[in-house]
Amino acid sequence: DTGVSQDPRHKITKRGQNVTFRCDPISEHNRLYWYRQTLGQGPEFLTYFQNEAQLEKSRLLSDRFSAERPKGSFSTLEIQRTEQGDSAMYLCASSLAGTVGQPQHFGDGTRLSIL
Amino acid sequence: GENVEQHPSTLSVQEGDSAVIKCTYSDSASNYFPWYKQELGKGPQLIIDIRSNVGEKKDQRIAVTLNKTAKHFSLHITETQPEDSAVYFCAARTQGAQKLVFGQGTRLTINP
Repeated sequence: DTGVSQDPRHKITKRGQNVTFRCDPISEHNRLYWYRQTLGQGPEFLTYFQNEAQLEKSRLLSDRFSAERPKGSFSTLEIQRTEQGDSAMYLCASSLAGTVGQPQHFGDGTRLSIL
Repeated sequence: GENVEQHPSTLSVQEGDSAVIKCTYSDSASNYFPWYKQELGKGPQLIIDIRSNVGEKKDQRIAVTLNKTAKHFSLHITETQPEDSAVYFCAARTQGAQKLVFGQGTRLTINP
């Protein structure tokens, strides 16, 4: 169990640029989640996948945001035309699916700074 | 939708004393309540969780209690140590849903 891996750990970009983050879940986990965390707040849910299917999206996920999990393994989160308000920590988590809810395990996040 | 309130926002205790963090939730259909510890520059780490069919769960120095009637749950840390210093988050998940709804966090400082 190597844990949830996120890349890059830090990203600094200019307003208006596009950015893409990658998440590699724990290998046997079929559910993958994206959260956003701003300074001094708890994580806020963005979206989740079961295998390759995106099953839920938060209203926080504007049309500038898109997430994919093409082969049901790693996932990418892309933000187009970044804005100052996109500055945050983007966290990925994974879990097993089951009849009883399984715990979510988080990676160390990608910290995005918009100049 | 679910709303989780967490108190206090900061907590300072002497090493060896106990710390208690409390959370309330709004949705009576919530049935899973994890607690996470987050250190600087790291992601949240699951430390203990409880399901709605259980009133209390303990793991060494950490315990969680759940009062479904009052819709609140608490984290208890006994014999605190300096390495317990971190930000702690409670969360709740509604039955049938997958997303976690988090509280605002508690910054716990253990004074040597």
